Amino acid sequence: DIVMTQTPLSSPVMLGQPASISCRSTQSLAHSDGNTYLSWLHQRPGQSPRLLIYKISNRVPGVPDRFSGSGAGTDFTLRISRVEAEDVGIYYCAQATQFPYAFGQGTKLEIK
Amino acid sequence: QVQLVESGGGVVQPGGSLRLSCAASGFTFAEYGMHWVRQAPGQGLEWVTFIQNDGSDKHYADSVKGRFTVSRDNSGNTVSLQMDSLRGDDTAVYYCAMDSGWRDWGQGTLVTVSS
Repeated sequence: DIVMTQTPLSSPVMLGQPASISCRSTQSLAHSDGNTYLSWLHQRPGQSPRLLIYKISNRVPGVPDRFSGSGAGTDFTLRISRVEAEDVGIYYCAQATQFPYAFGQGTKLEIK
Repeated sequence: QVQLVESGGGVVQPGGSLRLSCAASGFTFAEYGMHWVRQAPGQGLEWVTFIQNDGSDKHYADSVKGRFTVSRDNSGNTVSLQMDSLRGDDTAVYYCAMDSGWRDWGQGTLVTVSS
């Protein structure tokens, strides 16, 4: 089974400063169809998760362009260029390349 | 737009059973696989199960295999999760999600396993 590991688990960031979250998988997430099914989701307290980025680097319409995703194989990164107050919450990476699907443990982003 | 509404959560004793449902609308239900994902209190997301659009293929997390059964009714646009032999560590909010790359989620239904 693929295990997803996120670092850091907690990230205090000042408003306007950048933030970065790493996600590592125990196996390559490259699918035989040529895609890499690595997504990033954001969850605020009491809310359902919200998809931000899919297939490594594709932003969902409506997601601000301060969010970007990168990586390949087993190493992936979510970057926020300038953190805003509304960005607080927990960020999850998720793999949908191979069953059983899996999420990272989550990274809590908070304002310093 | 896509709407997913879970129901059936509640309090159940250890060893008991519960059946969750997810009513789908706003899309052609029979064209999409569906997932259940759960989140224990204060914890992260855990993928639980997937059912193919026509019900022909199903996958389960090891933690629920043999105890949970996923099914769907394409004529009624619902997906269900039958949960048997429930344990304390099954306590969680259960979300249904469309197989759309994690784009669409329900609001979740809380299952509490406690005596």
